[in-house]
Amino acid sequence: AQTVTQSQPEMSVQEAETVTLSCTYDTSESDYYLFWYKQPPSRQMILVIRQEAYKQQNATENRFSVNFQKAAKSFSLKISDSQLGDAAMYFCAYRIPNAGGTSYGKLTFGQGTILTVHP
Amino acid sequence: SQTIHQWPATLVQPVGSPLSLECTVEGTSNPNLYWYRQAAGRGLQLLFYSVGIGQISSEVPQNLSASRPQDRQFILSSKKLLLSDSGFYLCAWTLNLTSNTEAFFGQGTRLTVV
Repeated sequence: AQTVTQSQPEMSVQEAETVTLSCTYDTSESDYYLFWYKQPPSRQMILVIRQEAYKQQNATENRFSVNFQKAAKSFSLKISDSQLGDAAMYFCAYRIPNAGGTSYGKLTFGQGTILTVHP
Repeated sequence: SQTIHQWPATLVQPVGSPLSLECTVEGTSNPNLYWYRQAAGRGLQLLFYSVGIGQISSEVPQNLSASRPQDRQFILSSKKLLLSDSGFYLCAWTLNLTSNTEAFFGQGTRLTVV
């Protein structure tokens, strides 16, 4: 079974600084997708960034980027120029493709990392 | 554009009472639908998923059930709530037959069983 591990229950960063959140996963699949979701105090789940395992290039979305190490099964999130609005719980998630399988788009989540941003 | 509605936002129910949480998706057809539970503000656990009307798969044995009476409607139910059913429940959807899209989530229901 696939598992996702976030080893940092809590992290903090100063405003305008950079922080990296860690995520590792366990899978025997070669094709899969990885996501980082943000859950602010409103508890609305918001997609931050996604990475397809077949792509070697790391995904980036403005101030958010990932370091995807497929062999190491590692998928970390880097937040640059941190802002107060980045304060939230961040979840790493994994899924395998719908096509040809029985995953039906199910996501497996890590336990989350609470990020605090200090002004 | 697609939207997902989930209600109620907050619910306080006594032990032994029934439960019905509803989720509807607009702007798409034949979505995959999911119910997740988040306990104690931590990770999300998949409870049920559905790939079509009347098709429900359960991920974990529990006191809850799910139904999909219409293509874009997903309902989470219980006949008799337990204290352990308290938590934050999230409905989500994904496009069917498309492998690389993310899941879109409703705003969640905070359920407290007293």
